[in-house]
Amino acid sequence: DQQVKQNSPSLSVQEGRISILNCDYTNSMFDYFLWYKKYPAEGPTFLISISSIKDKNEDGRFTVFLNKSAKHLSLHIVPSQPGDSAVYFCAASARRDKIIFGKGTRLHILP
Amino acid sequence: ETGVTQTPRHLVMGMTNKKSLKCEQHLGHNAMYWYKQSAKKPLELMFVYSLEERVENNSVPSRFSPECPNSSHLFLHLHTLQPEDSALYLCASSQDAGYTEAFFGQGTRLTVV
Repeated sequence: DQQVKQNSPSLSVQEGRISILNCDYTNSMFDYFLWYKKYPAEGPTFLISISSIKDKNEDGRFTVFLNKSAKHLSLHIVPSQPGDSAVYFCAASARRDKIIFGKGTRLHILP
Repeated sequence: ETGVTQTPRHLVMGMTNKKSLKCEQHLGHNAMYWYKQSAKKPLELMFVYSLEERVENNSVPSRFSPECPNSSHLFLHLHTLQPEDSALYLCASSQDAGYTEAFFGQGTRLTVV
């Protein structure tokens, strides 16, 4: 049973607009959430994280929102740039235990 | 070099072959991991090493055998693999096994024929 779900396999967004990537989780013990970005032929790279004591974390163009009651988090990228085209993985961990990853969402930024 | 380095980047092997994947990290981390990424599946954690001791084995078949000779190096020895073992194998490291931010290598694309 998947504990971290990314229900959209792919997403296309016009350059300059906002990209919103969604992630749902089932384990209420998760207290730390991460987003990773992966280009083809490369390993995932850490992008941004959020602790369960917060509901928002911002880093430049990237903002992660956490809704604990809905067990949902989202990654907002604004404005979207061509270099943002990649696969984005949502991940979660409980009490600094192993990280559980979602299947990923492929983001295409259209010119 | 810095970061996490994996070799080889690509590997094709027959089902009767024996091969090894190598991972090296230059970040001074104490924990290292092997992950498997198959098409349309989440990243699957295979093994965790902390201070050169295996602390987790997620029900991985014995045809995959990890080795961690020191905190900077991690190997995955492969023997008598099956075609369904074809996948991207990713190595990662983190400050310690309880630390949540892991740094990944570029992966080894393995094809079993």
